[in-house]
Formats: sequence, C-alpha cells, structure tokens
Amino acid sequence: ETGVTQTPRHLVMGMTNKKSLKCEQHLGHNAMYWYKQSAKKPLELMFVYNFKEQTENNSVPSRFSPECPNSSHLFLHLHTLQPEDSALYLCASSQVGQGSGNTIYFGEGSWLTVV
Amino acid sequence: GESVGLHLPTLSVQEGDNSIINCAYSNSASDYFIWYKQESGKGPQFIIDIRSNMDKRQGQRVTVLLNKTVKHLSLQIAATQPGDSAVYFCAERGENAGNMLTFGGGTRLMVKP
Repeated sequence: ETGVTQTPRHLVMGMTNKKSLKCEQHLGHNAMYWYKQSAKKPLELMFVYNFKEQTENNSVPSRFSPECPNSSHLFLHLHTLQPEDSALYLCASSQVGQGSGNTIYFGEGSWLTVV
Repeated sequence: GESVGLHLPTLSVQEGDNSIINCAYSNSASDYFIWYKQESGKGPQFIIDIRSNMDKRQGQRVTVLLNKTVKHLSLQIAATQPGDSAVYFCAERGENAGNMLTFGGGTRLMVKP
C-alpha cells in the first residue's frame, strides 16, 4: 500500500475510444503528478498540479487531458490515442513547500495498451 | 540539458553479497537526491534520499553515498536478498527546480540464489 491508488490497473483501448485514468492519494499531499514510463526510457514527467493548479505541462499532446478536481484526486482523460502511447502511466504525489523534501510517492501504475 | 544517467543497465550479484548501484548526474546545482526501487509490475518505491549537504546516509541495509566533486551517487545494499531484485532509479532535483525531479534510466539488479 503506497498511499497512492490508481485505477484501472490495466486498460486496453482502441484508437477512437475515450477513457480515463483515475488517481487518489491518501497522504495529505499538496502536489500530484502524471508520469509516463515506456520500455527502455527514463520516467517522463507529463503534468504537475500544485494545490490543484496545473503548473507544468511537459509538451504533452492534447490527446492527453488532465483534471485535478481537488488536492487528493487526479484524472488523465484519454482520447484518440496512438499505439505508441501504450505505456505504464504512473500517478504520484508529494508535499511541496518550505522544509519539504519533496519526496515523490508513486502509485502502482495503469498499464495502457492502445490497439 | 541537465541529465541523470546510470553506468550499468544490469547488475547481477550472488545472494548474500553486497550490491553497489551507481548514478552520475550533470547538474552541479542539484540539492536533493532519491533512490527508487521498482519491482516488476509495480510503481517505483522510495528507498532512501540524501540532501546535498551530506555525503552519506544509511537506512536499513541500504546506504547512499554522494560525491559532489565528481557528481556521483551510489546505492549500496548489504547482504543482497532475492527480494532486492528490481530496477533501481536515481533521481535528482535542481536547486531551483521546485518539485521537479529528473530520473535516471534505471539499473536492473538480479540476485542469484
């Protein structure tokens, strides 16, 4: 149990589908993140939300749309994805601010396969 | 640009031996470093961290060493166990990077029984 829960754990979707990934953190943190992990690549930061406000969009295509309704929940809406978008999508959270080490805690990830 | 990288993609050790996983970083202004462990099918799990004002920090069976002179970070695992088999990532945060971490490519540790 990491304190960061992601659903679904596995998702297979067609290129014309619309789906969403959900993340909930139970750690009382004020920042949440979406990362993408592909084979043989370092973790890629996609989006950052601090205090529910998006502060980073790391040149992510518009077919990925994040939503952060409150500091505990984060969504990633998926629309007209490509097969190369197949990857492990990791949600994470941390506590940012003065005196915070900003250790990032990850969820177990959502394995996405685009067919 | 700034980057974090790992010297060895795969490390194979005998059960009971000590393991050393290395990481080089290029941002001399980085002030915070973290090691993560990722087991197959799971998300990265925090192991240990160290701030730039320290050169060594110990946890349970793990030690992180920081050499700022050569911008090198290492993770030492004592008495390696089969359960230690995983991919290990280092991550660093630049001095003014806020909550942005840069991750290395990962090293796979394989423990032979």
